[in-house]
Amino acid sequence: DIRMTQSPSSLSASVGDRVTVTCQASQDISSSLHWYQQKPGKAPKLLIYDVSNLETGVPSRFSGSGSGTHFTFTISSLQPEDIAIYYCQQYESLPHTFGPGTKLELK
Amino acid sequence: QVQLQESGPGLVKPSETLSLTCTVSGGSISGGSYYWSWIRQPAGAGLEWIGHIYTTGSIMTTDYNPSLRSRVVISMDMSKKQFSLQLHSVTAADTAVYYCARELTYFDHWGQGTLVAVSS
Repeated sequence: DIRMTQSPSSLSASVGDRVTVTCQASQDISSSLHWYQQKPGKAPKLLIYDVSNLETGVPSRFSGSGSGTHFTFTISSLQPEDIAIYYCQQYESLPHTFGPGTKLELK
Repeated sequence: QVQLQESGPGLVKPSETLSLTCTVSGGSISGGSYYWSWIRQPAGAGLEWIGHIYTTGSIMTTDYNPSLRSRVVISMDMSKKQFSLQLHSVTAADTAVYYCARELTYFDHWGQGTLVAVSS
């Protein structure tokens, strides 16, 4: 299985801050990576697919980049509604695997 | 707009079989490029992909997470627009919220999730 790691595991930031989360794959996954947002008690929501493509309706303050084994997810200006856990997911090979998540909190 | 809804018992006894059904509305479940997946999430933990099913014509194909393959069966009833999960010989470690989701490499539509507890 391809192992996904994320850093940091938790992050405290203020409204308006630029926030960056890193996702690393245990082997080269090319551009086979997606990002999700999960709020308490809710199913995950797809934000970004194929590294950098914004899902329809997702605000442009969210962005992603990377390739190979190293990927980043950025919120350019944190909003209160962005408080959630963020997960990366690889689909280069089965089984699909997710990162352990990054919990974003308001400072 | 595609919607998915999980249903099934919220409590299963150890060593028994967990059975859940996902009903799809607002779109077709057969053909196309979509896979239909089950994903679970223990309380306070991350996401684990269980497996998926997809159709090519009348042929149904499944893939499972190797960590669960010996205990999992995913099936589909196209006429009812449902797909199902069976997880055999459950233990407390199988206690989790179970989600069904539509997959196209990414999971773009999810059910609300259903909590299944394994306890005697």
